[in-house]
Amino acid sequence: GDSVTQMEGPVTLSEEAFLTINCTYTATGYPSLFWYVQYPGEGLQLLLKATKADDKGSNKGFEATYRKETTSFHLEKGSVQVSDSAVYFCALADGYQKVTFGTGTKLQVIP
Amino acid sequence: DSGVTQTPKHLITATGQRVTLRCSPRSGDLSVYWYQQSLDQGLQFLIQYYNGEERAKGNILERFSAQQFPDLHSELNLSSLELGDSALYFCASSAGLQGTLGKNIQYFGAGTRLSVL
Repeated sequence: GDSVTQMEGPVTLSEEAFLTINCTYTATGYPSLFWYVQYPGEGLQLLLKATKADDKGSNKGFEATYRKETTSFHLEKGSVQVSDSAVYFCALADGYQKVTFGTGTKLQVIP
Repeated sequence: DSGVTQTPKHLITATGQRVTLRCSPRSGDLSVYWYQQSLDQGLQFLIQYYNGEERAKGNILERFSAQQFPDLHSELNLSSLELGDSALYFCASSAGLQGTLGKNIQYFGAGTRLSVL
């Protein structure tokens, strides 16, 4: 079955540091890939998505590129802020609406 | 605001009881999904409904059941509650056309926090 593997957290960074959260996946077919973010006390929000190989999703300074050859969708941001502190979930969706989430990576940004 | 509404926000109950969680999807979305988020098991997919019919099943216990009504709102029923059922329960919705890649974006509600004492 489909699966998503994320790097374990928590990840602690200083403000303005570079962020990478690794995500790899296993899937049959050609899934869509997503990053969701969950701020404390809130539900998940879609951060960015990519629907085919080599697509780059971007939003709020975050980027991720769909790499089919390495089955990866790593999340990056050049300069993190305290307000980026949250839990980040990598996810994939097959063509039949089923979404598989990773376990989440907690990011803590300190001033 | 995602447009997905979940009620109640918080629920406190005792072991052995039964509760119902409610979800109103975004306007026009036909698919509703239920998830359980707990500290030890992360975010787990429970069940999906599409236009009133069950479409996919995940790690949903037999004590749990769900349905989607003609107005597309959904309810998750949890019975014979145990301490381990304490968790955040999320509902999500999507436009949901089978086999349509790129339309699988799920919009999440803020969740219902269930505490079983």
